[in-house]
Amino acid sequence: DAGVTQSPTHLIKTRGQHVTLRCSPISGHKSVSWYQQVLGQGPQFIFQYYEKEERGRGNFPDRFSARQFPNYSSELNVNALLLGDSALYLCASSPDILMNTEAFFGQGTRLTVV
Amino acid sequence: DQQVKQNSPSLSVQEGRISILNCDYTNSMFDYFLWYKKYPAEGPTFLISISSIKDKNEDGRFTVFLNKSAKHLSLHIVPSQPGDSAVYFCAASAGYGGSQGNLIFGKGTKLSVKP
Repeated sequence: DAGVTQSPTHLIKTRGQHVTLRCSPISGHKSVSWYQQVLGQGPQFIFQYYEKEERGRGNFPDRFSARQFPNYSSELNVNALLLGDSALYLCASSPDILMNTEAFFGQGTRLTVV
Repeated sequence: DQQVKQNSPSLSVQEGRISILNCDYTNSMFDYFLWYKKYPAEGPTFLISISSIKDKNEDGRFTVFLNKSAKHLSLHIVPSQPGDSAVYFCAASAGYGGSQGNLIFGKGTKLSVKP
């Protein structure tokens, strides 16, 4: 069974540019969450989507947006990139939005902003 | 303000001995706790979890203990193996809406198990 897949694995962008990161959840999983992991820190919650609706949002500026498609895949968009956006972006999927369902993470997209 | 704290950035233990990783939290609304393991260049992998209605959960070599009054949990690995060498993250969630998407992570503890 395929796990959570993210693309691309690595990306280099220039300040001010826009970036789109993609995530395909585990088959059958309807919830997708996005996390940002800066070096030396734990992952920080950005968004959760369930059944194509935003169900949670972390403390991130409006430059960050996301959406979920009918096939439950998801995109994370970041506009007007800043140097501080350089991080590992992790996507996690879970079967539903109920308690006691652990999130399964992809390997992440390493974004470098120069 | 960090709601989940892992105060030990690193831990080194001998193969075969016990590894104890600690985690403290401040938010009394947290009612579900998870441990993830992360190898370099990989995403975090779920290890074990515990609900706030329990004080212990065991899965093979891994046991998680929860002390709600102290807002403290720990992960015990017995016996430790070299393959356990990784960064371990403690995470917590609050039960509002039952969402597992909004996990609050600690900064992680790097475990090194020496042969």
